[in-house]
Amino acid sequence: AQSVTQLGSHVSVSEGALVLLRCNYSSSVPPYLFWYVQYPNQGLQLLLKYTSAATLVKGINGFEAEFKKSETSFHLTKPSAHMSDAAEYFCAVSEGTSYDKVIFGPGTSLSVIP
Amino acid sequence: GAGVSQSPSNKVTEKGKDVELRCDPISGHTALYWYRQRLGQGLEFLIYFQGNSAPDKSGLPSDRFSAERTGESVSTLTIQRTQQEDSAVYLCASTVRAGGTDTQYFGPGTRLTVL
Repeated sequence: AQSVTQLGSHVSVSEGALVLLRCNYSSSVPPYLFWYVQYPNQGLQLLLKYTSAATLVKGINGFEAEFKKSETSFHLTKPSAHMSDAAEYFCAVSEGTSYDKVIFGPGTSLSVIP
Repeated sequence: GAGVSQSPSNKVTEKGKDVELRCDPISGHTALYWYRQRLGQGLEFLIYFQGNSAPDKSGLPSDRFSAERTGESVSTLTIQRTQQEDSAVYLCASTVRAGGTDTQYFGPGTRLTVL
């Protein structure tokens, strides 16, 4: 069975500092992995996804994530936080190529301090 | 419209009543998904449609939940005899395949509160 854990339900960073949001997964088959962002009062958006191609995946708004099979991790990073990055971030895993079997993590709320 | 829309945006109902939630996907998107997001939790997959068919209903929490889609367009999620644990934000998403990859677009959600 698949599962996703996100370490830290709340993360605070200073503006300009590195953003690191952690995600670990379990899957019985090579997974597809996703990061989603939910800005306040807005719908969910796909930030990036890993589908067994390059292990370092670049997404929108300067975010990227690296798939590390040995660590079963897919951490999300951004070199320099902006105030506009404050949002809820969800990591998700799927054992299929479509979205119907996606399992979401509980989410991490990112705060950016001026 | 340009995006996925959902109505109503907020719904407050009494325990035991039936509710209908509506999703209008982006025109031309063949796949449509329903998710539930309880307070402080991640999304739970409920059901998806490919065209007007629902190949996988395994995510529906109970037989009080049902969904249909017509004309490969609008979908409605119906919850009968609502319970307090049904309170959540219900999200709809549709996908389009382009360049060999699927891209998913979410609606703003319907916040359901069962009193």
